[in-house]
Order: sequence, then structure tokens, then C-alpha cells
Amino acid sequence: EPEVTQTPSHQVTQMGQEVILRCVPISNHLYFYWYRQILGQKVEFLVSFYNNEISEKSEIFDDQFSVERPDGSNFTLKIRSTKLEDSAMYFCASSGEGIGYTFGSGTRLTVV
Amino acid sequence: AQSVTQLDSQVPVFEEAPVELRCNYSSSVSVYLFWYVQYPNQGLQLLLKYLSGSTLVKGINGFEAEFNKSQTSFHLRKPSVHISDTAEYFCAVSDRARRDKIIFGKGTRLHILP
Repeated sequence: EPEVTQTPSHQVTQMGQEVILRCVPISNHLYFYWYRQILGQKVEFLVSFYNNEISEKSEIFDDQFSVERPDGSNFTLKIRSTKLEDSAMYFCASSGEGIGYTFGSGTRLTVV
Repeated sequence: AQSVTQLDSQVPVFEEAPVELRCNYSSSVSVYLFWYVQYPNQGLQLLLKYLSGSTLVKGINGFEAEFNKSQTSFHLRKPSVHISDTAEYFCAVSDRARRDKIIFGKGTRLHILP
């Protein structure tokens, strides 16, 4: 079964550093998403991306965040200057012609 | 805008007993409904989804859910749980007309007692 692949599975970074989280969505999917889950809390929407542009973003997705689809297969989330409160599990998801959202296994980001 | 309420943050249940995890939603538009499961230290896996048609939806691992439009509910059930069902369960909705996001409830932790 096709999968959404996220790398790395765990990243530790120092406060103030830039971090890039990587995702490879399912190959024929057209819609891409990032979500985050702070430990013990709900899964929160960050941003959706379609046709090479952001289609919607939440209030969490401020100027410190950006997304990019640099080639035909990768979808990245960049956090420019990480804060302690950015520590969370970040999930990438993709969606195709059918109705459904396939999630990756997540990247656990720890900001120290 | 849509929202999802999962009233029970934790549900303890004995092994082989039935379980129901409750989900209510609020939306001004028609929605699709989903249940996802998150096993410890893993990602989100789709259990089942309601798109249209029969209000009783069957999913993986013996789970099923029933869509009730009048009560705006989509409760998840399993007739007999196993230790392996220990996980966090998330109810979610998305706008039928848009593909911009899926909104999750806060989750219900299913704790199976031996």
C-alpha cells in the first residue's frame, strides 16, 4: 500500500536554529498538508498546499514557517528560528482524487 | 468552520468487552467523517471513513461507526476489544466541498484492562 514517508523520524535542534522537515507524499496525490501534535494534545492543522501554492493555513503557521515542493516528489516544512514551544510531532499528509488523507509516521522535533 | 468533540479523554474497558467511543461534530456545511488510530509512538492510521450511503461504516480491525445526521454524531464501536487495541483514537471531519484540511477532535485514549 502506498505510504507517506517522513524524514528524519526524530530531530533535536537548538533554540533559534532553522530546521527542515521532509516528506515524500504518495506519488499521484495532489494535495499536501502539515499537522503538528504537541505531546499529549490534539492534532492541529498547520497548512495545506495545492498546485504549488498554499491553499489554507492556520494561525499557528506564522512567518517563522514556510513550505515548499522543491521537486516532483518532496514536500518540506521549514521553521526559520525554532522556539521551545515548537517541540512537537509533525505529521505530513497527502490526498489524491479519492476522499481520504494518508498520514506519514511523523517527525518528532525536540527544541532544546 | 467545523469542530469535533470527543467527550471522553480516556475509556477503560476490559478485554473482550464491547466499547463505544463517542464523537460529535459541528459544521455549517456537509462533511466527510473519519476515525484515525494512533498506536503508541506511531503515526495516524485510517480506521474508517463515512463519505455517503449507508450510515453504518465498517473499518479495519473489527471497528465500525455509525453516522447519525440528526444527532451530528459518528460514534465508533467494537463488539470485543483486545489488548492490541490500546491506542489513541481520533475522530475527524472535512468539508465536502473543499480539500483544504481535516479537523481532529482531542482524541480518546482506549485503555484495555486484562
